[in-house]
Amino acid sequence: GIQVEQSPPDLILQEGANSTLRCNFSDSVNNLQWFHQNPWGQLINLFYIPSGTKQNGRLSATTVATERYSLLYISSSQTTDSGVYFCAVELEGGSQGNLIFGKGTKLSVKP
Amino acid sequence: EAGVAQSPRYKIIEKRQSVAFWCNPISGHATLYWYQQILGQGPKLLIQFQNNGVVDDSQLPKDRFSAERLKGVDSTLKIQPAKLEDSAVYLCASSLDLSRRGIAYNEQFFGPGTRLTVL
Repeated sequence: GIQVEQSPPDLILQEGANSTLRCNFSDSVNNLQWFHQNPWGQLINLFYIPSGTKQNGRLSATTVATERYSLLYISSSQTTDSGVYFCAVELEGGSQGNLIFGKGTKLSVKP
Repeated sequence: EAGVAQSPRYKIIEKRQSVAFWCNPISGHATLYWYQQILGQGPKLLIQFQNNGVVDDSQLPKDRFSAERLKGVDSTLKIQPAKLEDSAVYLCASSLDLSRRGIAYNEQFFGPGTRLTVL
């Protein structure tokens, strides 16, 4: 079955809008990371967050490990936020270090 | 601090040819990973090393793919012979130390990738 599921698959925003991206996972996790893949293909680390809440500027993330989901919040979006956002998890019952990626959320921010 | 370095950035080959990719991890990182990212999908782990030893290569197609990290620093991934379905971006990542737990040790950092096109 699907181990990491992200929603929505596509998102179009007007500059300045807020958004919430969701990641559901199938089992307990040792590691959960959020990445932004920019249009040049570089994966940029956003958060390492197997549980709890973190904030970094306009971005914040919350993982509720007991309910097996994580949320990424983007506030006051900018055109430079465009790209694909990936959630990746290391499942507790899986191979150590093996990050399993979702299919991503493709975000387009229009000026 | 320098990030993960990869070369080449782009490679175009014909099917049945061979190709090699190089990765230099972040200085001091014991754990190195190779991922394959097919267009429109998330990356998928191929192999991971702890120093110069293989930790997990269960998803590596060993009939055509090989990888080594002889001195425990940089690594080479090879495909021989290449097939059309090998067209993808090959990403290298590193983390401080897979054998220990916590963000400082387990957070993975990715290089810019090598985009391979097999014709």
